[in-house]
Formats: sequence, C-alpha cells, structure tokens
Amino acid sequence: DADVTQTPRNRITKTGKRIMLECSQTKGHDRMYWYRQDPGLGLRLIYYSFDVKDINKGEISDGYSVSRQAQAKFSLSLESAIPNQTALYFCATSDPRTGYGYTFGSGTRLTVV
Amino acid sequence: DAKTTQPNSMESNEEEPVHLPCNHSTISGTDYIHWYRQLPSQGPEYVIHGLTSNVNNRMASLAIAEDRKSSTLILHRATLRDAAVYYCILNKMDSSYKLIFGSGTRLLVRP
Repeated sequence: DADVTQTPRNRITKTGKRIMLECSQTKGHDRMYWYRQDPGLGLRLIYYSFDVKDINKGEISDGYSVSRQAQAKFSLSLESAIPNQTALYFCATSDPRTGYGYTFGSGTRLTVV
Repeated sequence: DAKTTQPNSMESNEEEPVHLPCNHSTISGTDYIHWYRQLPSQGPEYVIHGLTSNVNNRMASLAIAEDRKSSTLILHRATLRDAAVYYCILNKMDSSYKLIFGSGTRLLVRP
C-alpha cells in the first residue's frame, strides 16, 4: 500500500457541485498538506495542518475548505466547484524531525465542467 | 520565504553527469536547501536536502556554495528515468516547515 493514498484518482464534476477529495497516510506523521498544480506550473499550497487541531490557510485557500478527521486523514472540499478549479491536486505529509522531507500522494485529477 | 531561481529547462545525454543549478541569493542562515523532482503524471518526490555542507545520497549529490547563495544538484549518471521537473526550494526545518514550490527546471534526457 502507498504511504499517502488519495481518492478518487480522477473526477469530473459539474459547476456548482460540492466535491470532496480524500487523503489518508500510513506514515504516522502529524503534518499534512493539500497542493494544487495547474498545467506547466509548480505546486501551490492550499491548506496545511500541523496536527489534528491545527488548520492553516496556504497561498490559495479561497473556494476550498479542509477537515482533519484524524492524524491519518485530511480531506479537501470544494463547496461549489467552478471551472478554474480544474487542476491536479496533491496531498502530502511530513515530519521535519525525520529529515526525509515530504511524501506526496499520486494526485487527484479534477475536471470541473 | 526566500526565493530561488532555476533555469526553465536543461538537456543531458543518458549516462552523463547532470548539474542542475539553483540561485538563492536571499537565503537566510536557518534556511535549508531542498530538492524535489516530479516525474510525469506523479507527485513530487524528495531527492535531497542540506544546510551548509555538501550532501550525498543514493539518488544524487548536493553541492552548496560557500556563501550559500547558490547550490547545484548533481546526478552522476543520468538515465531516461531521471527526466523530470526538478524543484529547488528553501525552507526552515522548524515549526513553520512548509514547502513553497517555484516552477522548477525541466530536465530532458536524450538516449
């Protein structure tokens, strides 16, 4: 099993619909992150959580919300999807004490039509 | 967060060494230099990181300038599988630890 699992892998949804992207990790790390990647660009940070009770906005949080249900689970919601939220979404986890950097999931490709 | 500057793209021949440069002239004393790479259709993958001294691991080497204003990721023998976008990122390994990505360098490896 992958260390960081994202579901679904691909999703097509209609404008105005609510959608949730889910992320779970088996690394035992406290810190989890959601990033968005648009074609040809680097990743941009949406939200991050340093523990279950800690949620922080990233560079581009407008239009998104998150929920940290447990240490291992961090979900991203689009309350009312719009076409410019079409992108590749990555979840990641880290523990800076280990020195091994971030571990990323394989991504969720979201298309809003 | 301090910024990094990388070339948009580089090319290399298979089995030759590759030197990927990164400039970070505004680096602070507590910033670590991280490198990640992203293979096509995959999430980014940790490569290496360092603070002041050169670092080696099974994937690559990181050479850090004495003034720390630049660094170079070295792939000793490029393979086709090394074709990816390589990101150089500065970050503090403390409570504020979060990665902010730039646009990276796209490495093309020719057979």
